[in-house]
Amino acid sequence: DVQLLQSGGGLVQPGGSLRLSCKASGFTFSVHAMSWVRQAPGKGLEWVASIYDGNNDTYYSDSVRGRFAISRDDSQNTLSLQMKDLRAHDTAHYFCVQGYYHLPVWGQGVLVTVSP
Amino acid sequence: EVVLSQTPLFLPVVLGQPASISCRSTQGLVDVSGNIHLNWFHQRPGQSPRRLLSKVSERDSGAPDRFSGSGSGTEFTLTISRVEADDVGVYYCMQGTHWPRTFGQGTRVEIK
Repeated sequence: DVQLLQSGGGLVQPGGSLRLSCKASGFTFSVHAMSWVRQAPGKGLEWVASIYDGNNDTYYSDSVRGRFAISRDDSQNTLSLQMKDLRAHDTAHYFCVQGYYHLPVWGQGVLVTVSP
Repeated sequence: EVVLSQTPLFLPVVLGQPASISCRSTQGLVDVSGNIHLNWFHQRPGQSPRRLLSKVSERDSGAPDRFSGSGSGTEFTLTISRVEADDVGVYYCMQGTHWPRTFGQGTRVEIK
């Protein structure tokens, strides 16, 4: 069964850092690009970042470029999102997602709250 | 940035009746290979989004056949042939052709 199991959400102060993780199972992780998508409370979906398989090229939304870093460990079937200099508007549920064209599989989401 | 505009944003529907949602793009979504990476997702309250359709009209294996997609150029449509109670929630279109990836604002579907 294809599954993305996320961890790492929580409460962080403005300016702080947090690392999200996503453990993949049920598919060959190393041959799939992966993405992060977020959803602020009561709002719509916003693409955050993607990482290719193979060459590990990365893409970021303007709102997070320079503050967030997407990475992958194919030996551990794990996707990560390192977030720094967090701001109130980064408060959202963050979803780990398979792919970058069609996003067929989504993790359960974790809540990141940025507040004093 | 490609902007996707969905209409309507709120859609009250009658059980058993058809319903449709429009998604308009500010740019064409055909890639260099001729593929159109326009996807539709459904999100129920408190759940992760689930993909219904990819590449305009390719239905996911778990998506009921009452869902269909159509369109070309910059105009795309999701159609539910006969609405069921399980169809409530928010529907999003999303383009996977251009960077940054973008989503429509979402259309909330509720039963009248």
